[in-house]
Amino acid sequence: DTAVSQTPKYLVTQMGNDKSIKCEQNLGHDTMYWYKQDSKKFLKIMFSYNNKELIINETVPNRFSPKSPDKAHLNLHINSLELGDSAVYFCASSQDGGRPDTQYFGPGTRLTVL
Amino acid sequence: AQSVTQLGSHVSVSEGALVLLRCNYSSSVPPYLFWYVQYPNQGLQLLLKYTSAATLVKGINGFEAEFKKSETSFHLTKPSAHMSDAAEYFCAVSGRGGADGLTFGKGTHLIIQP
Repeated sequence: DTAVSQTPKYLVTQMGNDKSIKCEQNLGHDTMYWYKQDSKKFLKIMFSYNNKELIINETVPNRFSPKSPDKAHLNLHINSLELGDSAVYFCASSQDGGRPDTQYFGPGTRLTVL
Repeated sequence: AQSVTQLGSHVSVSEGALVLLRCNYSSSVPPYLFWYVQYPNQGLQLLLKYTSAATLVKGINGFEAEFKKSETSFHLTKPSAHMSDAAEYFCAVSGRGGADGLTFGKGTHLIIQP
């Protein structure tokens, strides 16, 4: 069974469109994250959620809106897509025991904006 | 604020030779440190982590790292490189909270020469 899964794996779309990426974890973790990996492979935290509550919201444009319907899911919705949004987006999860723990990453979603 | 510096964007070693990937961190609090590996077109996999216990940490696939507070370093080593070690390696630092995101270095691409 896949621990952290993301759909879709590839997403190609036009500028100005709205798209969503879904993430699910079956590890029973309390905390989920979204990271962005750019073309130079640099990884940066975007959001973290703990028990469906937003904890971290880095300097991300408000076109990006995470939504957590339950603690096993964290979806990422992006409005008005721009060329610069092209990247690989990774979802991750970890157990919140009051201190940092291993984050388990999904396989990534490669977003290409044309 | 925390940061991670990985020296050398590309490291090339011969098969069977020592692997040394360098990581220096900056943190205002005692850090939690991680090494992750990313194989092509895949997500990130944890190699090992330092969480203020033993300073010499052993991980998967024969890798280990030593936390040196005086040098603010957490270098990754493996005594004998294997072709399957070719990948991108990321050092990361976390805050103290259970839902803190990871701050990653820029990554080191490890090349194994036959």
